[in-house]
Amino acid sequence: DAGVIQSPRHEVTEMGQEVTLRCKPISGHNSLFWYRQTMMRGLELLIYFNNNVPIDDSGMPEDRFSAKMPNASFSTLKIQPSEPRDSAVYFCASSPIPGNYGYTFGSGTRLTVV
Amino acid sequence: AQKITQTQPGMFVQEKEAVTLDCTYDTSDPSYGLFWYKQPSSGEMIFLIYQGSYDQQNATEGRYSLNFQKARKSANLVISASQLGDSAMYFCAMRGGGAAGNKLTFGGGTRVLVKP
Repeated sequence: DAGVIQSPRHEVTEMGQEVTLRCKPISGHNSLFWYRQTMMRGLELLIYFNNNVPIDDSGMPEDRFSAKMPNASFSTLKIQPSEPRDSAVYFCASSPIPGNYGYTFGSGTRLTVV
Repeated sequence: AQKITQTQPGMFVQEKEAVTLDCTYDTSDPSYGLFWYKQPSSGEMIFLIYQGSYDQQNATEGRYSLNFQKARKSANLVISASQLGDSAMYFCAMRGGGAAGNKLTFGGGTRVLVKP
């Protein structure tokens, strides 16, 4: 299995631009998670899906952030418009339900907004 | 609501010695799971060990063991015979049950530096 695949690995964009981060979960995993990691706030759960349905989006910082999971093999996290304070590493993870052993993380996307 | 607390921001350990990383948690769900992850400087998140709330025995995986004290709501990670490659950030995390579903919540992390 190729694991959780995230793209791009690095993204540098200008303030105000739209940014789209992509994630392909492990085949057969029913849950998908988006996390953001910063030095100040650590690892924050932004949103997670069970069976392609958003379950908890209470961590999404504001309306500029949106996430979709149109099918079991693909999810996107979009920031529009981006701001410098959005600079962070964004991780996607997937797991079976329940995720006793299988919370697998992607390599992350390092986003820099200048 | 789920809450994970790691009170040690950073610690040094001598190579070949054991080190204990503290983790306390809070949940009202009777069914939950506790995890430890390692994040080396390269940034990837590596799963180390899992403990279920109903497991009778403490989990072990090679040099990693989890000291699970349910009444105290603690799930400390013990790394035995530390190696230089153990230098990393370590995160404790909890999967809730009930209304929390499959949600995985992380603590703030502990940075470990192994000295030769």
